[in-house]
Amino acid sequence: KAGVTQTPRYLIKTRGQQVTLSCSPISGHRSVSWYQQTPGQGLQFLFEYFSETQRNKGNFPGRFSGRQFSNSRSEMNVSTLELGDSALYLCASSKRQELAKNIQYFGAGTRLSVL
Amino acid sequence: DQQVKQNSPSLSVQEGRISILNCDYTNSMFDYFLWYKKYPAEGPTFLISISSIKDKNEDGRFTVFLNKSAKHLSLHIVPSQPGDSAVYFCAASGSGGSNYKLTFGKGTLLTVNP
Repeated sequence: KAGVTQTPRYLIKTRGQQVTLSCSPISGHRSVSWYQQTPGQGLQFLFEYFSETQRNKGNFPGRFSGRQFSNSRSEMNVSTLELGDSALYLCASSKRQELAKNIQYFGAGTRLSVL
Repeated sequence: DQQVKQNSPSLSVQEGRISILNCDYTNSMFDYFLWYKKYPAEGPTFLISISSIKDKNEDGRFTVFLNKSAKHLSLHIVPSQPGDSAVYFCAASGSGGSNYKLTFGKGTLLTVNP
């Protein structure tokens, strides 16, 4: 069974640009979450989607947005990039039976560098 | 405010000995606690979890202990192996509207020496 797939793996952008990251969850998983990992702040929750609906959002500015498609694939978008947005962005998926325990399975991440 | 804390940034143990990784939390509304392991250039991998109504959960070489009154949990790895060398993250999950996110500690780098 394929794991969570994130594309691209690496991305370099300049300040002011926007970026879209993609995530394909494990087959059959309908919940998709996004996290940002930085050396200073660690892993921080961005948002979570289930059946195309955002159910929870972390404390990030409105420049960070996401969406989920009917096939459970998800994208996150960051507009007007800032230097501080440089981070590893991780996507995770969960299956229905494990939603209560919130066991999430992570992809390898997209490393975003903002110059 | 950091709701989940891992106060030891690193830990070094000898192969075959016990590794004990610690985690403290402040939010009494957390329902589930999870441990993840992360190798460089990979995403975190789920290891083991425990419900707030239990005080111990075991899975092979890994055991998680929860002390609710102290708001403390620990992960024991016995025996430790060189392949266990990785960053270990403690995470917590709440109930209701906050159930769909994990709150992570900043991680502990475990090094198991042969």
